[in-house]
Parts: sequence; C-alpha cells; structure tokens
Amino acid sequence: AQSVSQHNHHVILSEAASLELGCNYSYGGTVNLFWYVQYPGQHLQLLLKYFSGDPLVKGIKGFEAEFIKSKFSFNLRKPSVQWSDTAEYFCAVNGGGYNTDKLIFGTGTRLQVFP
Amino acid sequence: NAGVMQNPRHLVRRRGQEARLRCSPMKGHSHVYWYRQLPEEGLKFMVYLQKENIIDESGMPKERFSAEFPKEGPSILRIQQVVRGDSAAYFCASSPPETSGGRDTQYFGPGTRLTVL
Repeated sequence: AQSVSQHNHHVILSEAASLELGCNYSYGGTVNLFWYVQYPGQHLQLLLKYFSGDPLVKGIKGFEAEFIKSKFSFNLRKPSVQWSDTAEYFCAVNGGGYNTDKLIFGTGTRLQVFP
Repeated sequence: NAGVMQNPRHLVRRRGQEARLRCSPMKGHSHVYWYRQLPEEGLKFMVYLQKENIIDESGMPKERFSAEFPKEGPSILRIQQVVRGDSAAYFCASSPPETSGGRDTQYFGPGTRLTVL
C-alpha cells in the first residue's frame, strides 16, 4: 500500500540549530515528492518538490531535501533554523510523470523553535 | 494572482444538518482535489475532480458525502446529516492542466474548519 512515514512527530530546537526531518515512502514506480509547511493558522504552502534530475532539491527559506532512491527517503534539512520556522511540516508523494495523481501525506512533524 | 479560495473559513453545524463547502481553484487550474485533516493527523485524500467530472473518489466515505465541480462556479463538497466525527479541517487544492507544463504541483487553499455540535 502507498504510504508516507514521518518518524519525528514533534521536534524542539533552539534558534541556529540544524534541522533534519525524516520522510520515508512506500510507493510502486516512479514518484514525485513534496514538502509542505503549515504555519500556525495558515494554509499549506509548498516548500520544495522533486520530480526528476538532481536528487538534492533546494526550496524556499533556505530549506533543502535530498531524494535517496535506495532508501526510499526524502529528508528535509535546514542548516540554521529561525524562530519563524515554527510550523508543521508535511511530506507527500504521488505518482511520477505528468499525471495528476492524488497526494499521499505523512502525519506531519510539528517543529517548535525557541529564541 | 489570487490563490485557491475556500469559504466559509469556519462552519458550525448541529448534528443532522447539511454542510456545504466551496472551493474556487486558482485561475487557469482545471483540477480540484479535496482533502480532510482530522485532529492530530495528516491530510487524507477524499476526491479529485475536473470540470463536470469526478475522476477519483476513492477517499470519499460511501454515504452522506458528495462533491461536484460544475462547468461554471466553484467546486462544492457537501456533507449531509453531519455527525460529530465529521468535525475536521477540509482543504481544497488545485493544479494546472497537463498541457500547461506545470506538472502536478497542487496548491492549497486556507481550508474550512467544520465543527459539528
């Protein structure tokens, strides 16, 4: 069955600490991979996406993610977090290629950054 | 360039009433998706529609839930005879048509938070 696992449910960091949020997926065939962020009281915003090509993807606000096909992983990283990064982060996957398949989401990771 | 619009943002219904949620996709987008987020859970796919067609409704509960995306106007998610378990945030997303080269990035609206008393 198609699924996405986010193992870190709640992460607490101090400002300037480095961040890595895990995401593993189970999906047959090629995949598109996404990280979305939901700031408190706001809607989901796209942080970054991987369709093909360079497995290291850079997104907005200094975030990046690396697609490791052999590990079925797409971990999100940021070298130095800020208080404004406090939010919920969702990893998602759908079928690769030019299609309009539904997204399968992980359960999310709540990040709290303290000054 | 307006994003995905949803209304109402908050909706309170008593058990047994109907809830009607609206979604206007981004300009030029022809695909609409509905997702539900229960408390402390991730988003779960419900239904995928194109204009006047339901493409995939594999995530829709078999009873009381229906969705449409008419030729004119917003997409509507309708929940009849609501129960407390329907309380959740309902998000709509849209994506551009395949021919636009936009691949399949889905852009989300602000959601409708439904509370059933």
